[in-house]
Amino acid sequence: GENVEQHPSTLSVQEGDSAVIKCTYSDSASNYFPWYKQELGKRPQLIIDIRSNVGEKKDQRIAVTLNKTAKHFSLHITETQPEDSAVYFCAASLNTGTASKLTFGTGTRLQVTL
Amino acid sequence: GAVVSQHPSRVICKSGTSVKIECRSLDFQATTMFWYRQFPKKSLMLMATSNEGSKATYEQGVEKDKFLINHASLTLSTLTVTSAHPEDSSFYICSASRDRSFAEAFFGQGTRLTVV
Repeated sequence: GENVEQHPSTLSVQEGDSAVIKCTYSDSASNYFPWYKQELGKRPQLIIDIRSNVGEKKDQRIAVTLNKTAKHFSLHITETQPEDSAVYFCAASLNTGTASKLTFGTGTRLQVTL
Repeated sequence: GAVVSQHPSRVICKSGTSVKIECRSLDFQATTMFWYRQFPKKSLMLMATSNEGSKATYEQGVEKDKFLINHASLTLSTLTVTSAHPEDSSFYICSASRDRSFAEAFFGQGTRLTVV
């Protein structure tokens, strides 16, 4: 089955700096890669996603890059703000048209300090 | 967007009792829902795939007789933790996708189960 590794496990940045979180996956057939933000005790919220036919996607301060050859994808947050502090999870999924089973990374606890 | 509602959000039960958790897709039909378990400061671990009108598919290591899943309609899946023990205490969360070709998963708000 799919295996997703995520690094770093914790990340502390100063407000205004950039944060980068990296993930690797094992199943070359995976074709959908979402990133979720989860605050303590809350549900994961999708912040950005990318499909395997795209190499990069950007949404305001958030961007995701995908390298299919190397089987890794990264989340980039620019101009970080205190409200960006949360746990971020990457995931990989194979959408076959019947269902998409997500395999999550181990999570990155991002702390944005003033 | 799509809304998934999970109930209850918190439950405390005594050892040996059973607890039922509901997951509803409020504004779309979901033929497939997923149940995850999350330990404190850990990732979401898929427990099972809930299929409307058929048996759930359990991940390796998950006891199907302990975690009963029923997906009786296109908008409701239930997870019943039977004969709960303190080690079953965890955060349980469901997800659903709007349709089979749309990969984005929408999560319920989660249920924090505490077994005393």
